[in-house]
Amino acid sequence: EPEVTQTPSHQVTQMGQEVILRCVPISNHLYFYWYRQILGQKVEFLVSFYNNEISEKSEIFDDQFSVERPDGSNFTLKIRSTKLEDSAMYFCASSGFGRVSGYTFGSGTRLTVV
Amino acid sequence: DAKTTQPNSMESNEEEPVHLPCNHSTISGTDYIHWYRQLPSQGPEYVIHGLTSNVNNRMASLAIAEDRKSSTLILHRATLRDAAVYYCILNNDMRFGAGTRLTVKP
Repeated sequence: EPEVTQTPSHQVTQMGQEVILRCVPISNHLYFYWYRQILGQKVEFLVSFYNNEISEKSEIFDDQFSVERPDGSNFTLKIRSTKLEDSAMYFCASSGFGRVSGYTFGSGTRLTVV
Repeated sequence: DAKTTQPNSMESNEEEPVHLPCNHSTISGTDYIHWYRQLPSQGPEYVIHGLTSNVNNRMASLAIAEDRKSSTLILHRATLRDAAVYYCILNNDMRFGAGTRLTVKP
């Protein structure tokens, strides 16, 4: 069964550093998403991406965050200057037909900011 | 905030059916009802979705009320592996709420 692949599985970074979280969505999917989950809390929507542009973003997705699809396979989330409160699990998801179809999630990247 | 309401937790015995309810009284005519689950230490996993008619797949069944203001996810025979947090989400929103934590007792 096709999978969404996320790397790395765990990243530790110092406060103020830039991090890039990487995702390889399912190959024929066109809609891509990032969510995050702070330990013990609910899964929170960050951003959706379609046709090489952001289609929706939440209030969490401020100027410190950016997304990119640098080639035909990768989808990245960049945090420019990490803060302690950015520590969370970050999940990438993709879907074939946007919100009509089900999303396939990756297994996540655990980001720890120290 | 999520536009669905679910019980915080439910318990089931292994090999018995489980009915997980969800209320979505403000659902619009174009909203699909999606269900996901999250096993411990994993990402959310798609379970099933539907619009108006009841739906079945290899994982579960989805029963949708005639007025579409509520739905029920049915696991026909719960296994220990089904212990997870189950989320009911409307696709035009795609925000996760707190979900229902299902505990399956052997």
